[in-house]
Amino acid sequence: GAVVSQHPSWVICKSGTSVKIECRSLDFQATTMFWYRQFPKQSLMLMATSNEGSKATYEQGVEKDKFLINHASLTLSTLTVTSAHPEDSSFYICSARREFMDEQFFGPGTRLTVL
Amino acid sequence: KQEVTQIPAALSVPEGENLVLNCSFTDSAIYNLQWFRQDPGKGLTSLLLIQSSQREQTSGRLNASLDKSSGRSTLYIAASQPGDSATYLCAVRGRSQGNLIFGKGTKLSVKP
Repeated sequence: GAVVSQHPSWVICKSGTSVKIECRSLDFQATTMFWYRQFPKQSLMLMATSNEGSKATYEQGVEKDKFLINHASLTLSTLTVTSAHPEDSSFYICSARREFMDEQFFGPGTRLTVL
Repeated sequence: KQEVTQIPAALSVPEGENLVLNCSFTDSAIYNLQWFRQDPGKGLTSLLLIQSSQREQTSGRLNASLDKSSGRSTLYIAASQPGDSATYLCAVRGRSQGNLIFGKGTKLSVKP
């Protein structure tokens, strides 16, 4: 099956620091990757869509300079939360999709806590 | 703008019962619909994907139906088990979009 991994699974950082989250498709090439954010008891909200080798497309209201997304290869995308603040604390989930395939596969998520 | 609604928000049933989870969407022009399961603090596991041209999909004890014209989908779980306890999310992908639009989910609890 298609497996997507995320690292780290959880991270605690101080306010003002930057945190990088990795998303990898382990057994397939992901031409498109998505980053979602989920608050407690809420559904997933799409933050951005990235295609390999291209700049990410951000959803309205998502700060590009704060949430840096890099999709440098067909198996790796990274999300960097720059100058994190407590309000950035959330559950971040990545998703990947193969070219010409319809199903999206999700990673296990990363719990970010900013103190 | 596509909106996805799931009813009920929470459901508690005794083990062995058959149950139905509902999902509705406002724009019937969808490309496909996907049902997911999410365990607490975990990511999403894909359960079933229904293309817009299909009416249902089955996997084991799960059966998902799609009525695109009425903007509805149901997830039927047969002979529920405590291990089925989780939040079930419905998501649609529009023709003009590459991303999934999610409902808020139904939290299912199956009591032994």
